[in-house]
Amino acid sequence: SQQGEEDPQALSIQEGENATMNCSYKTSINNLQWYRQNSGRGLVHLILIRSNEREKHSGRLRVTLDTSKKSSSLLITASRAADTASYFCATVGYSTLTFGKGTMLLVSP
Amino acid sequence: NAGVTQTPKFRVLKTGQSMTLLCAQDMNHEYMYWYRQDPGMGLRLIHYSVGEGTTAKGEVPDGYNVSRLKKQNFLLGLESAAPSQTSVYFCASRNRDRTSTNEKLFFGSGTQLSVL
Repeated sequence: SQQGEEDPQALSIQEGENATMNCSYKTSINNLQWYRQNSGRGLVHLILIRSNEREKHSGRLRVTLDTSKKSSSLLITASRAADTASYFCATVGYSTLTFGKGTMLLVSP
Repeated sequence: NAGVTQTPKFRVLKTGQSMTLLCAQDMNHEYMYWYRQDPGMGLRLIHYSVGEGTTAKGEVPDGYNVSRLKKQNFLLGLESAAPSQTSVYFCASRNRDRTSTNEKLFFGSGTQLSVL
C-alpha cells in the first residue's frame, strides 16, 4: 500500500501565486523526498529532508517536515507556467522509496 | 553520461506473450528499482536490487521476474503478459551511501506497455 498520500489531488493556480502541497505518511522514515514529473516523462528529484530536519529550502522550494504528525509540505513560491507538473512525495525506508499518488499542479499564465 | 536508459520506449503485446524490459545505468549505482505507474495509483514498486546478483520483491511483484547479472543492468521480465500489466514502467537507480545526500533516485524515461 502507498506510504505517502498527497493532498490535494489537483491544484490550479495563476502564475505568480504560491502552490502548497501536503504529504502524509504512516510509518517512521529515514528521510522524505519530493519529485516532479512532467507529462510523459520520468520523475526528477527536487529536494530531500531528513527525519531530524524541520525545514529546508532550495531556490523557490520550501519543504517542511513534522514527524510527530507524519506529514510534510512542499511550497513553490512565485509559480511559473513551467512548474505545471505532477508532484510526488516519497518516503525512504532502509532500501526502498515508497511514492504517494501525487498532486497535479496546473499553473496558468 | 546517459544516466538511466530504458528500452524499449513503447511496446504492444498480446495476452500470453513474453518480453523483457532493459534498464541500464552508467552512474555505478548499487541500488536499482522497477516501478509501474497507473492512472490514479502513483508509482508502485515491483522489484528492486541492492547489488549485483541480488533481487527482492516490492509491493506488486506477481507476474514479473527480474535479474541483475551485471551491476549496470536490471532486467524486468513478463513471462505471460496479461491486460492488467498494461502500464508505464519506470526504472530508477541510486547510490548506496546513506551518509551523504546521494539517496535521490534517478529515473529513466519510461516504457509504455500495452497488453491486448
